[in-house]
Amino acid sequence: AQSVTQPDIHITVSEGASLELRCNYSYGATPYLFWYVQSPGQGLQLLLKYFSGDTLVQGIKGFEAEFKRSQSSFNLRKPSVHWSDAAEYFCAVGAIKAAGNKLTFGGGTRVLVKP
Amino acid sequence: DTEVTQTPKHLVMGMTNKKSLKCEQHMGHRAMYWYKQKAKKPPELMFVYSYEKLSINESVPSRFSPECPNSSLLNLHLHALQPEDSALYLCASSQEDQLQPQHFGDGTRLSIL
Repeated sequence: AQSVTQPDIHITVSEGASLELRCNYSYGATPYLFWYVQSPGQGLQLLLKYFSGDTLVQGIKGFEAEFKRSQSSFNLRKPSVHWSDAAEYFCAVGAIKAAGNKLTFGGGTRVLVKP
Repeated sequence: DTEVTQTPKHLVMGMTNKKSLKCEQHMGHRAMYWYKQKAKKPPELMFVYSYEKLSINESVPSRFSPECPNSSLLNLHLHALQPEDSALYLCASSQEDQLQPQHFGDGTRLSIL
């Protein structure tokens, strides 16, 4: 069975500083990996995805993530954080079951942005 | 703006009430999902519909009853809920024929009195 670990429950970062969120996965085959962001009172918005190919993936809102198979990691980065990036971030691994695809989410990392 | 629309946004109900949550998408997606999300927790999968047929039920209690009337609509019928069922209920959809990202609605905030 697949699993996802996000080691950091909270991260506080100053506006304009860089951000890196960690994600480690466990999956028996080639993983399908996603990062989602959730602002308070809203649903989840897809930031980026990795299926295969280039291990550095570009997403929306200036985010990128790097897939490292040797470390079973898929860390999310942003060079310069904006106050609007304060939110909950979820890493997820996908797997195709008999019908329908199933996402397993990590516990999430809450990002606080200081002025 | 989200492409998956959920109604109502908020719902307060007693434990003996019957209510329904609704979800609609017009992206042509053939897979639709219900998730339950408690505060400060990740979403937990409840049900998956594939081509309007129930394909995954994650051992959800029978007081939650999903329905997929057509490829654009997904309902979740609620009856005799418990206080611990209070949560944010999220609907999502995705293309079915390959592993594509799920698109989420903004959810229904459900409170059980």
